[in-house]
Amino acid sequence: KAGVTQTPRYLIKTRGQQVTLSCSPISGHRSVSWYQQTPGQGLQFLFEYFSETQRNKGNFPGRFSGRQFSNSRSEMNVSTLELGDSALYLCASSSPFGGTTDTQYFGPGTRLTVL
Amino acid sequence: EDQVTQSPEALRLQEGESSSLNCSYTVSGLRGLFWYRQDPGKGPEFLFTLYSAGEEKEKERLKATLTKKESFLHITAPKPEDSATYLCAVIFGATNKLIFGTGTLLAVQP
Repeated sequence: KAGVTQTPRYLIKTRGQQVTLSCSPISGHRSVSWYQQTPGQGLQFLFEYFSETQRNKGNFPGRFSGRQFSNSRSEMNVSTLELGDSALYLCASSSPFGGTTDTQYFGPGTRLTVL
Repeated sequence: EDQVTQSPEALRLQEGESSSLNCSYTVSGLRGLFWYRQDPGKGPEFLFTLYSAGEEKEKERLKATLTKKESFLHITAPKPEDSATYLCAVIFGATNKLIFGTGTLLAVQP
């Protein structure tokens, strides 16, 4: 079974630009969560989508948004990029049945660098 | 405040030298504790899920245990390929978000 895939793997943007990251979950999984990983803050939860609905949201500004499509693929968007948005963005999928303690499986991440 | 703390921050072992990593948590209503391994530049790789105090899980040289306040990841006779950052995360309350500790960077020297 194929794992979680994320595209692109690397991105370089400049301040003020916007960016869209994509995530394809494991086949059959309906929940997709996004996390930001930085050396200073570690792994922090951004948001979770299940069946095209945002189910949970972390403490990030409104510049960070996401969506999920009917095939469970998900995108996250960051607008008006700031230097502090440079990070590894990780997507995780879980839960073919909507359970909230199902294991989350992570993709390889997208490394975003903001100059 | 809901918190997950891992210790030590870094650990250097000789090949074959067994040790344990600690993950302590202060959350209400723990519903699951997860251990992941992360290699540089890669996403976290799932190792174990523990749901209740007293539970233990084993896989090759790794064994995870859970009490009401902490979890241990025991590494028996480690090999250099076990070198990685080991992350602990919890799910609690009504949400599905993982709260991560800051990880333990393990280096196993041949």
